[in-house]
Amino acid sequence: GENVEQHPSTLSVQEGDSAVIKCTYSDSASNYFPWYKQELGKGPQLIIDIRSNVGEKKDQRIAVTLNKTAKHFSLHITETQPEDSAVYFCAAPPLSNTGKLIFGQGTTLQVKP
Amino acid sequence: GAGVSQSPSNKVTEKGKDVELRCDPISGHTALYWYRQSLGQGLEFLIYFQGNSAPDKSGLPSDRFSAERTGGSVSTLTIQRTQQEDSAVYLCASSLVGGTHEKLFFGSGTQLSVL
Repeated sequence: GENVEQHPSTLSVQEGDSAVIKCTYSDSASNYFPWYKQELGKGPQLIIDIRSNVGEKKDQRIAVTLNKTAKHFSLHITETQPEDSAVYFCAAPPLSNTGKLIFGQGTTLQVKP
Repeated sequence: GAGVSQSPSNKVTEKGKDVELRCDPISGHTALYWYRQSLGQGLEFLIYFQGNSAPDKSGLPSDRFSAERTGGSVSTLTIQRTQQEDSAVYLCASSLVGGTHEKLFFGSGTQLSVL
């Protein structure tokens, strides 16, 4: 079945710097890759997603890149702000495509003012 | 507009007791999902509903866990004879279209503590 590995588990950056979080997946048939942000005490919130037919997608300060050959995708946050501090999860669907997602273990991002 | 609502937000129970967790999805969302998040861990899929039926319940850990959805809306997750390892945050999500795993909207979860 699908396996999603996420790195690093924790990341600390200075305000204004960039942050990059990487995920690898095992099922080459996976075709959809979302990123969720979870703030303390809240449920995860979708921040950006990408389909397998494109290599990059941007939305203001966040972007996601996909390398299908290497089976990895990354979240890029530029000009980080303290409110970006949260836990970020990547995910991918298994081949069975029954509606579920397989999530990575999460990255705790701390942006220091 | 209203998001996904879960109740209770916190539940403390004794080992061996049964608990019911409730999820009110966003109005009009046909798909509903239950996930479990243990401390410091990622999200573990439990079950997926499309309407009132559950095409995928492969993630339910044991037969102590069950879920139902009525009227294509509210869902309840029931855990019988709770064990300490059941302690976790139980998250519910809904999406407009099922079967695509896309654009899930999560509730804030129910923190379950089994003493």
